[in-house]
Amino acid sequence: NAGVTQTPKFQVLKTGQSMTLQCAQDMNHNSMYWYRQDPGMGLRLIYYSASEGTTDKGEVPNGYNVSRLNKREFSLRLESAAPSQTSVYFCASSGTGHTEAFFGQGTRLTVV
Amino acid sequence: KQEVTQIPAALSVPEGENLVLNCSFTDSAIYNLQWFRQDPGKGLTSLLLIQSSQREQTSGRLNASLDKSSGRSTLYIAASQPGDSATYLCAVSPFSGNQFYFGTGTSLTVIP
Repeated sequence: NAGVTQTPKFQVLKTGQSMTLQCAQDMNHNSMYWYRQDPGMGLRLIYYSASEGTTDKGEVPNGYNVSRLNKREFSLRLESAAPSQTSVYFCASSGTGHTEAFFGQGTRLTVV
Repeated sequence: KQEVTQIPAALSVPEGENLVLNCSFTDSAIYNLQWFRQDPGKGLTSLLLIQSSQREQTSGRLNASLDKSSGRSTLYIAASQPGDSATYLCAVSPFSGNQFYFGTGTSLTVIP
């Protein structure tokens, strides 16, 4: 099983550019998440989706938008990238009822 | 807001030693606690999930315990090996909300 797949793995953007990070899971999970990981800050939740068609803000949503395209896919969009958004982004999924979470391999984003 | 702390931030031990990693959390109203391993430049790999009704879980050389009332969990690694070198993260899933709160991790180095 592929589990959780993220694309791209690496990306360099110029300030003000936009991009979409893609995430897909093949475990039939209802819940999906986007986290960012920064040195000394741990993982912080950007947005999550408890089920297809629903999304909610997490701890650090400013500057991001998300789309739960279907049960498998959850994308994260940066409309106008800023250097403060330089980070490693992780997508995760879990089943209903606070079950075990599975993570993708991450996207390393640098905004210059 | 749930706060998760992991101490120490870094740990170095000789091969073969048994060791304990610590995780503490401020709100005991949790569904479960999950331990992850993260290798440099990689995603998070789930190691153990402990439900709030459980006291411990075991997988191979790993044993995780949970004392919900005191807000503590430990991850015990027996007979450590150089391949155990990684960052270990704990995450709690609260009753309210639908996310995981992470600690900042313990970076473990096992010296051959």
